[in-house]
Amino acid sequence: TQLLEQSPQFLSIQEGENLTVYCNSSSVFSSLQWYRQEPGEGPVLLVTVVTGGEVKKLKRLTFQFGDARKDSSLHITAAQPGDTGLYLCVSFTGGGNKLTFGTGTQLKVEL
Amino acid sequence: DAMVIQNPRYQVTQFGKPVTLSCSQTLNHNVMYWYQQKSSQAPKLLFHYYDKDFNNEADTPDNFQSRRPNTSFCFLDIRSPGLGDAAMYLCATSRVRDRYTEAFFGQGTRLTVV
Repeated sequence: TQLLEQSPQFLSIQEGENLTVYCNSSSVFSSLQWYRQEPGEGPVLLVTVVTGGEVKKLKRLTFQFGDARKDSSLHITAAQPGDTGLYLCVSFTGGGNKLTFGTGTQLKVEL
Repeated sequence: DAMVIQNPRYQVTQFGKPVTLSCSQTLNHNVMYWYQQKSSQAPKLLFHYYDKDFNNEADTPDNFQSRRPNTSFCFLDIRSPGLGDAAMYLCATSRVRDRYTEAFFGQGTRLTVV
């Protein structure tokens, strides 16, 4: 079974701080996606990374896919309370139909 | 516009009373999934359909069943809900796009068992 390990599991920071969330696996992925889930809602897709070494930016969020396509990171600059949520990295296994979730990172940004 | 729609958003059921959660999609995607998610944890896959082909996870309890009468609709039936089945239930669809697969989630149904 492929596993996606995320770290840290929990993160509580002050508004304006920077943070990085990591997603690691022993397996190579053809692609990897990041989702954010707010309390009581379904996960919302943030980005898909496909190419090893790829970097994508979404406003204050920077996503990187490792050169070997086994790991990914999400960096948030100047965090805001609206960034609070559960961050999930996700990839597809089982011939491309089976979603595998990372273990999740619960982020809380306080004023 | 909502593309994966789950109804109801909140469901309260009695211990042991059968309950059905529904999911519909306007995306015409082949694959549909049901996940169970407990507080602040990653979602856990219960089963998925590729078209009409049903794929059950090995550790999904027999208490959970699913139906997919057509491409657009998928149902989760819990035959005898226990207190431990209280959770958020997420429906998702996926499509193959260029070189990767992309998933879309509904807003979830929060199930409470009393």
